[in-house]
Amino acid sequence: QVQLVESGGGLVKPGGSLRLSCAASGFTFSDYYMSWIRQAPGKGLEWVSYISSSGSTIYYADSVKGRFTISRDNAKNSLYLQMNSLRAEDTAVYYCARDTVDLDYWGQGTLVTVSS
Amino acid sequence: QSALTQPPSASGSPGQSVTISCTGTSSDVGGYNYVSWYQQHPGKAPKLMIYEVSKRPSGVPDRFSGSKSGNTASLTVSGLQAEDEADYYCSSYAGSNNSPVVFGGGTKLTVL
Repeated sequence: QVQLVESGGGLVKPGGSLRLSCAASGFTFSDYYMSWIRQAPGKGLEWVSYISSSGSTIYYADSVKGRFTISRDNAKNSLYLQMNSLRAEDTAVYYCARDTVDLDYWGQGTLVTVSS
Repeated sequence: QSALTQPPSASGSPGQSVTISCTGTSSDVGGYNYVSWYQQHPGKAPKLMIYEVSKRPSGVPDRFSGSKSGNTASLTVSGLQAEDEADYYCSSYAGSNNSPVVFGGGTKLTVL
């Protein structure tokens, strides 16, 4: 069965960095686009970034452009999100999701807290 | 402010039907047949309930249905059950541009 497991969240100071990982299993990872979506505490969903199956096409939300970098390692069935220059407003649960235009499978999320 | 507009709340009694709207523009909802609906229970990850406007993934009860007219999509839950109480989010493809996926602000569905 399809499984997505995020890791790497935690508490970081404003201006700091964090790298999130998403381990995929149960499907041919290299065949699928993947996305990161976040949800601030008590708020709605916000799409963050997506990456094509080969990694050649990448998009970012304006709110993270220039600070976040999405990448993938198809040999390791893993998706990553490098987050730099973190701000308080980046505090959220970050989900990875398999992207088939629709987000058909989601991980359980990892919490990122940006606070001094 | 979310790109797609949903009512913040909706409610119905067990057995009744409730419809949640999702209004966008011709650049997203109205321009593509790629509207999705997600159900999220507290503390859980979102779950895909409807894709491509009206299709149900395997395992989703047929009490859930989707439709679209112009720039507005709708999710209807028929025969409401207690376990349907959750937050519901719509999303739409918005083209191969800066932000290809846009979400609604979410609707809290309460089963009275």
